[in-house]
Amino acid sequence: GQQVMQIPQYQHVQEGEDFTTYCNSSTTLSNIQWYKQRPGGHPVFLIQLVKSGEVKKQKRLTFQFGEAKKNSSLHITATQTTDVGTYFCAGQRGNTPLVFGKGTRLSVIA
Amino acid sequence: DGGITQSPKYLFRKEGQNVTLSCEQNLNHDAMYWYRQDPGQGLRLIYYSQIVNDFQKGDIAEGYSVSREKKESFPLTVTSAQKNPTAFYLCASTQRGSGNTIYFGEGSWLTVV
Repeated sequence: GQQVMQIPQYQHVQEGEDFTTYCNSSTTLSNIQWYKQRPGGHPVFLIQLVKSGEVKKQKRLTFQFGEAKKNSSLHITATQTTDVGTYFCAGQRGNTPLVFGKGTRLSVIA
Repeated sequence: DGGITQSPKYLFRKEGQNVTLSCEQNLNHDAMYWYRQDPGQGLRLIYYSQIVNDFQKGDIAEGYSVSREKKESFPLTVTSAQKNPTAFYLCASTQRGSGNTIYFGEGSWLTVV
């Protein structure tokens, strides 16, 4: 079945450093979504990418969808302590349920 | 307030007992989901339902059961057949179709002793 791989599993950065997490699907996707889960919380939707090669920005966060619609990345510029949490990508094919990656847990050292 | 309500938030049960986790949504969403989250394992799909009175197994359905008698409700029963039931359980909902955002409840922590 469809698999979504996400790396790295953990990332520790100094506050102010950049951070990137990568997501790769075994199959071509209709769309990819990104979620953030704060420690002790539940996943919250960040963004959805639909088009091949799409790039979207939310303040310090930049999301990319690959040309082949099989991979994606989330890049955070100049991390802050408020960025701490686990970032999940989730891929979808047609009307099938989203398949989540295992997430990247980000720690930010002040 | 619109949203997804899960209860209870924390639950302790003895091994061998069935337990039912509640999930209610007032978002008028057609589709509802149950995920299990273990450390380092991400979110794994247990069951989902895209319409009332119909549901499908996810990747890890063994030892679990669900019902979808009402659009708003999608309870999950963790049966005694589930080998390692201690986990964080997340209920979610969305509109049917592709490209719709999933909204999650706050989760239920189940500990089996």
